[in-house]
Amino acid sequence: NAGVTQTPKFQVLKTGQSMTLQCAQDMNHEYMSWYRQDPGMGLRLIHYSVGAGITDQGEVPNGYNVSRSTTEDFPLRLLSAAPSQTSVYFCASSLSTGGLGGYTFGSGTRLTVV
Amino acid sequence: KQEVTQIPAALSVPEGENLVLNCSFTDSAIYNLQWFRQDPGKGLTSLLLIQSSQREQTSGRLNASLDKSSGRSTLYIAASQPGDSATYLCAAQDSNYQLIWGAGTKLIIKP
Repeated sequence: NAGVTQTPKFQVLKTGQSMTLQCAQDMNHEYMSWYRQDPGMGLRLIHYSVGAGITDQGEVPNGYNVSRSTTEDFPLRLLSAAPSQTSVYFCASSLSTGGLGGYTFGSGTRLTVV
Repeated sequence: KQEVTQIPAALSVPEGENLVLNCSFTDSAIYNLQWFRQDPGKGLTSLLLIQSSQREQTSGRLNASLDKSSGRSTLYIAASQPGDSATYLCAAQDSNYQLIWGAGTKLIIKP
C-alpha cells in the first residue's frame, strides 16, 4: 500500500546511545518532514526536506541530524540520546511544500530514553 | 511568533449530536489552515485544508470555517458517530510553509 513507512514502532535507548529512525515513502513526494509529539503540546517540526539533497532545520533541530539522498528516504539520526528526547516521532510527506494535496503521516515511533 | 490554541482539550458528547471544535491562532498572516485527525497509536490523517482566501471547506459530514480577522477556525461535525472518536488537531501554515500546531481536542462520541 502506498504511504509512509516508519521503523521501528517502539524503541528504548540508554542515555548517550545513538540511533536512526527510518522513514520511507513510495508516492514520489518531494516534501518530507520529521515532527515530535509530546503530551499536551502540538507537533513540533524537527527537520524537513523539499527534495533530494536538500534539508533544513525546523523549530527543534538540536540533537538530531537528517539526510535526503533519495526522494524516497528521509532518516532521522539521534546523535547522543537524552531523556528530553523521549517522545513520539512522526514522519510526514507531501507532494509539495505547501501541502495542497494533503499530508501523509507515518504511524509513528515511540522512543523512550532512560 | 504564531501560536495555535485548541479549546477544550477534551470533549464527550452523545452519538447523533452536531458539534463544533475550536481553533484559534495569534497571527492572521497564514498561508492556510488545516485540520487533521489522529487515532490512538496511528499517524495523522488530513481532513480539510482552507486556503487563506477561502472562508470554508466541506467534506461529507465535516465543515471547516476560517475567519482570519478574528484568528479563528472551527470544525463542525454533523450527526456524530462513535467512529468519529479521535483527537482532532488544527495547524496554521505560515508563509514559509511551516505548520504550527495546536495541542488537539480529544473527542469521545458515546453510543
